[in-house]
Amino acid sequence: LAKTTQPISMDSYEGQEVNITCSHNNIATNDYITWYQQFPSQGPRFIIQGYKTKVTNEVASLFIPADRKSSTLSLPRVSLSDTAVYYCLVGGGDSSYKLIFGSGTRLLVRP
Amino acid sequence: NAGVMQNPRHLVRRRGQEARLRCSPMKGHSHVYWYRQLPEEGLKFMVYLQKENIIDESGMPKERFSAEFPKEGPSILRIQQVVRGDSAAYFCASSPSTGINEKLFFGSGTQLSVL
Repeated sequence: LAKTTQPISMDSYEGQEVNITCSHNNIATNDYITWYQQFPSQGPRFIIQGYKTKVTNEVASLFIPADRKSSTLSLPRVSLSDTAVYYCLVGGGDSSYKLIFGSGTRLLVRP
Repeated sequence: NAGVMQNPRHLVRRRGQEARLRCSPMKGHSHVYWYRQLPEEGLKFMVYLQKENIIDESGMPKERFSAEFPKEGPSILRIQQVVRGDSAAYFCASSPSTGINEKLFFGSGTQLSVL
């Protein structure tokens, strides 16, 4: 399972767009990229998953360049309730449940 | 449709006691996973179970820890003779299948404190 590197923390203000980039240089051909969000005292919540190019859902967008060695989670117009830890995970195949959570990125959204 | 339910939310045990953590998966989900999270760290995989079967326990300590998912009832993570180092948040997740990159649904966790 590929290791990921992401910023430890980020600050933003309400209404801004936030982009969190994750590096995964050793991503394998069959690996997908998945992002989870975790609030204090709660379990992680799935945000978005992608393999290449761009994926968008009602919550976020995920941008993946052609070499797939990095990915960027984009949160449009963040609010205070988006303050959380965001985890980037890379994996695939039959052992994809063995999610490897790094330390994540602590996003703080200020008023 | 209730999500993954874990209880208790908080559990306090003294060293040497047993801790039993319960997890009821989402309706229709037959795959359960347990993770442990230490303060300021990410979650670490412990064990993956299907009904009445342990599929992968490679992340679970060999001693004192056990898990089950009986045909009827919740999944149980059992820690015998707890030590202070067992203090952590234990999260359960479930999924309807194990397709490649299946999305996992997590419960709110059980915070275990060992005195």
